[in-house]
Amino acid sequence: DTGVSQNPRHKITKRGQNVTFRCDPISEHNRLYWYRQTLGQGPEFLTYFQNEAQLEKSRLLSDRFSAERPKGSFSTLEIQRTEQGDSAMYLCASSLMSSYNEQFFGPGTRLTVL
Amino acid sequence: QQPVQSPQAVILREGEDAVINCSSSKALYSVHWYRQKHGEAPVFLMILLKGGEQKGHEKISASFNEKKQQSSLYLTASQLSYSGTYFCGTEMGNAGNMLTFGGGTRLMVKP
Repeated sequence: DTGVSQNPRHKITKRGQNVTFRCDPISEHNRLYWYRQTLGQGPEFLTYFQNEAQLEKSRLLSDRFSAERPKGSFSTLEIQRTEQGDSAMYLCASSLMSSYNEQFFGPGTRLTVL
Repeated sequence: QQPVQSPQAVILREGEDAVINCSSSKALYSVHWYRQKHGEAPVFLMILLKGGEQKGHEKISASFNEKKQQSSLYLTASQLSYSGTYFCGTEMGNAGNMLTFGGGTRLMVKP
């Protein structure tokens, strides 16, 4: 097991198009998190799952964003009708629910909206 | 609410020490420290829980003052590989919640 993987690594799209990203967590991890990071800033929380249940979603998250984690394994993040302000690095992290809850990040998907 | 990190940037010579601070206005369950190099994902360094438990990198130490809701990351005898941006992520309530990250501290270690 080599850690959290994300696909694609880069995505360039035109404004108004829909995009979908995939995250495969570390296999035994039951928690999965999505964050967004813009240049020079720390990661910003978007949403997270425990197994297949979406437990929390950021109030800042537009209804154009949706995420799911069918069967509690991989997760997808979809952005509909993309805007230039959506351009960012989308990071996925996973953890094994415990008192420590160390979150391990994937390499991210860099989205550029033209 | 986003934790505040200080300093925003620091330049060191190889072998020098540095301290990075992270302060929160909210009561915390834990503080997580990450290092991120340009174009790469954040890499987990250390986690400190309220109550004093901690877990992380052997060569890096940190502290968590629960009374002040402040954490400090200590980088001693810095190496070139320590260069990068350091983020603290704070967790409130109990384990398993999302992290709220600070704005980062950019560290550059020169030969």
